[in-house]
Amino acid sequence: DGGITQSPKYLFRKEGQNVTLSCEQNLNHDAMYWYRQDPGQGLRLIYYSQIVNDFQKGDIAEGYSVSREKKESFPLTVTSAQKNPTAFYLCASSLSPTSGATNEQFFGPGTRLTVL
Amino acid sequence: QKEVEQNSGPLSVPEGAIASLNCTYSDRGSQSFFWYRQYSGKSPEFIMFIYSNGDKEDGRFTAQLNKASQYVSLLIRDSQPSDSATYLCALRAGGYNKLIFGAGTRLAVHP
Repeated sequence: DGGITQSPKYLFRKEGQNVTLSCEQNLNHDAMYWYRQDPGQGLRLIYYSQIVNDFQKGDIAEGYSVSREKKESFPLTVTSAQKNPTAFYLCASSLSPTSGATNEQFFGPGTRLTVL
Repeated sequence: QKEVEQNSGPLSVPEGAIASLNCTYSDRGSQSFFWYRQYSGKSPEFIMFIYSNGDKEDGRFTAQLNKASQYVSLLIRDSQPSDSATYLCALRAGGYNKLIFGAGTRLAVHP
């Protein structure tokens, strides 16, 4: 089955800890994205990557880091510098904007992060 | 002003009725618009996109776009209780496929 997987589903972090959220896709998509969703709010873009070994900051990148060493994988690290990390984290992927396709984004099931 | 505005709802409609969900946006240069459905506790699911003025139909869903008035709508015909969810409107901004999302409208379809 093609799709996007995220792990873990739930994650608890102590103050001062870094944690890494996994995102893997087998859709052969070039582009991948990380969003954060807080209750009653829309999704906000953290980081995005259009191609392997390249990524750009989104609107709320402070306190987060990413890597894109493989086309299939785009892990997100929530560092201790992120002051309010409790949220629902969503990974998405799409075809490249240069592909000429619609480029709708498809989402993984999400990781719910709670700071203790 | 937020870039994408949606009434948070809840919008309550009876089963079998037409649900009308609206979204306004501030950037006149926006070209493409997307609708997603999100069930409580789950991730968004893509419904459809629209980029031309007018209506676009896909099954029970119809997206409507009016660029002059800067609004986009989603109509759901023959609403079912299983349609009860939050509907997210998004527009594409920039050349790298960045999506800007509204906060969503919660739809409740009652039997």
